[in-house]
Amino acid sequence: QKEVEQNSGPLSVPEGAIASLNCTYSDRVSQSFFWYRQYSGKSPELIMSIYSNGDKEDGRFTAQLNKASQYVSLLIRDSQPSDSATYLCAALTGGGNKLTFGTGTQLKVEL
Amino acid sequence: NAGVMQNPRHLVRRRGQEARLRCSPMKGHSHVYWYRQLPEEGLKFMVYLQKENIIDESGMPKERFSAEFPKEGPSILRIQQVVRGDSAAYFCASSRGQENEKLFFGSGTQLSVL
Repeated sequence: QKEVEQNSGPLSVPEGAIASLNCTYSDRVSQSFFWYRQYSGKSPELIMSIYSNGDKEDGRFTAQLNKASQYVSLLIRDSQPSDSATYLCAALTGGGNKLTFGTGTQLKVEL
Repeated sequence: NAGVMQNPRHLVRRRGQEARLRCSPMKGHSHVYWYRQLPEEGLKFMVYLQKENIIDESGMPKERFSAEFPKEGPSILRIQQVVRGDSAAYFCASSRGQENEKLFFGSGTQLSVL
């Protein structure tokens, strides 16, 4: 079982819609979770972090964490074509020493 | 405030040569992480270093790969006797090492082995 799992996609949503990206993790000890955005050929860019159960909102982005279900999600409201990228879910594992990434979900926002 | 600096941006090597990838962390950051990314795959953890110490190298191949982060100067990821399978993007990230610390990534080095 992979430590962090994501559906590779692509996930296609129309412009203006809500994009929902999901992630599950296996290490129950993990306490810190992150969402990175990566455009093709570029480096990962941190967009959200979440440490507590519940929702955390930042602009058009909302991260959700459910530790009981070992589930993390990212909602993007009013999706724009510029949101088209690969979204990487990551969890601090190994006792907090390293950030483990999922394989990423490719999001396509269509006009 | 400069971000994480990696060089070179692109590196071409022939099979059997050595590759040296450099990473200077953000100002104030003393923890460095190296990741490898193959096409269509996620980021794979390789090694975590603090100044002059390797903290976790569980993701490093047993042979040909080494990393260091000296007291002075950048962190170096060294790959000896490169093979075609080493072709990948290598990303460095840095943090201050505090609890729940966020990692910030450099622009990466694209290694191509001919």
